Amino acid sequence: KNEVEQSPQNLTAQEGEFITINCSYSVGISALHWLQQHPGGGIVSLFMLSSGKKKHGRLIATINIQEKHSSLHITASHPRDSAVYICAVRVRGGSNYKLTFGKGTLLTVNP
Amino acid sequence: DTEVTQTPKHLVMGMTNKKSLKCEQHMGHRAMYWYKQKAKKPPELMFVYSYEKLSINESVPSRFSPECPNSSLLNLHLHALQPEDSALYLCASSHWKWETQYFGPGTRLLVL
Repeated sequence: KNEVEQSPQNLTAQEGEFITINCSYSVGISALHWLQQHPGGGIVSLFMLSSGKKKHGRLIATINIQEKHSSLHITASHPRDSAVYICAVRVRGGSNYKLTFGKGTLLTVNP
Repeated sequence: DTEVTQTPKHLVMGMTNKKSLKCEQHMGHRAMYWYKQKAKKPPELMFVYSYEKLSINESVPSRFSPECPNSSLLNLHLHALQPEDSALYLCASSHWKWETQYFGPGTRLLVL
């Protein structure tokens, strides 16, 4: 079993819909990252969380440390949000440099 | 300037060639990373440099040779690669080890 599990693997939405992507992890962590990767492109760091909630524009990330779960929400989705969203964690007690990645969620937003 | 740049964007090389990938950042970050990413897979960490010293080598074959000539620059020297080494090679940097990593756009490598 992977230490970081994301769901769903694939998600198709209509423009304007509210999107939720989930990430569950099975290890103690010191931080959780949400990353975005457009097809064929590099990776953009969206959020780094260790507790609570963060918001940036239409994106909201939450984390529940007790439940070992994080969600990424996109409000008023737009076709340009189409990308792979990756959850990655820094394992507590592990190397502070290393991130353990989920397999990613492919989001397609249709106009 | 919050940018990590990588050159070249694309590279095609034969198995006997020697080539280098270059990564640069001017954010004053002291940790720099090389990742390898195959299609539809998450990135895999290859190397980490901290204060220009190699800190982590994830058992990467010696045909990949990293170099950090100064705090802004990270190179990956390639020699005698195999077709299975074809992938997207991503560079990243962070201010310090536990902080947000900023990724470059990647070099797409094809080994023939």
